[in-house]
Amino acid sequence: EAGVTQSPTHLIKTRGQQATLRCSPISGHTSVYWYQQALGLGLQFLLWYDEGEERNRGNFPPRFSGRQFPNYSSELNVNALELEDSALYLCASSTDWDRGLAGYLNTEAFFGQGTRLTVV
Amino acid sequence: AQSVTQLDSQVPVFEEAPVELRCNYSSSVSVYLFWYVQYPNQGLQLLLKYLSGSTLVESINGFEAEFNKSQTSFHLRKPSVHISDTAEYFCAVSPGMGYNKLIFGAGTRLAVHP
Repeated sequence: EAGVTQSPTHLIKTRGQQATLRCSPISGHTSVYWYQQALGLGLQFLLWYDEGEERNRGNFPPRFSGRQFPNYSSELNVNALELEDSALYLCASSTDWDRGLAGYLNTEAFFGQGTRLTVV
Repeated sequence: AQSVTQLDSQVPVFEEAPVELRCNYSSSVSVYLFWYVQYPNQGLQLLLKYLSGSTLVESINGFEAEFNKSQTSFHLRKPSVHISDTAEYFCAVSPGMGYNKLIFGAGTRLAVHP
C-alpha cells in the first residue's frame, strides 16, 4: 500500500513568488494535515483539511492557504514568498478519527517525506 | 500554553551503548505524549505514545519511554542502540484530541557510531 506522497521533493523560488505543494494521502484517509519544519525548530501545525473543508489552521498568515480535492489529495499554496518561508513542509494523513469510527486514540497520522522549499 | 523542550539537539553515542533522549513539556491540562522518529530523507513515523494507564510504554524496536507527571517529562530510552537507530527524534504533546493539536519539540539528532 502506498504511503503519503508529496511533490515536488524540492522547490526553489524567489522572494515574492508563489509556491504550490501537493500531497496525496493514504488510500481511505480523509484528513490531511500540513506542517512546517523550519531549520532548528519543531514542526509547526499549518492547516487541517477533512472531507474537502478546512477544519483548522495554525498561527500562520493568510498567504498560507490550501484546499482539498474530492479525491482527498491536497494542495498547499504559499503566496508572496518570504525568505523565512524556507523550510521542509510535511503532509500527514489519517482516517476520520473524530467521527467515532475509530477514535483518536486508535488512529495514527502518517507522514510523507516532505517538500523542501527554498526561497532565495 | 503548552510547550515541548527537547534538552539535547544532538546526542552522539557508540553502538551497543545505552541512550536517553530527554523531553520535558509544560501544560496546565492533561496531555497525550508521543515520540516520532525521522530517518534520513523520510517522513516522520510514530515510535510510541502515552495515552493513559501504565506510565511505561514500549515500541517494537526496543525503545521505551516513561511518563513522569510530577516532573512533566517523557524521556526516551534504549538500553543498546544500533547504527540503524541513527535518526532525528521528535517529542510531541497533544492537549486534546486531534493531530492538528500536536505540539512538537525541536528534535534531537541521534548519531550512533561504530
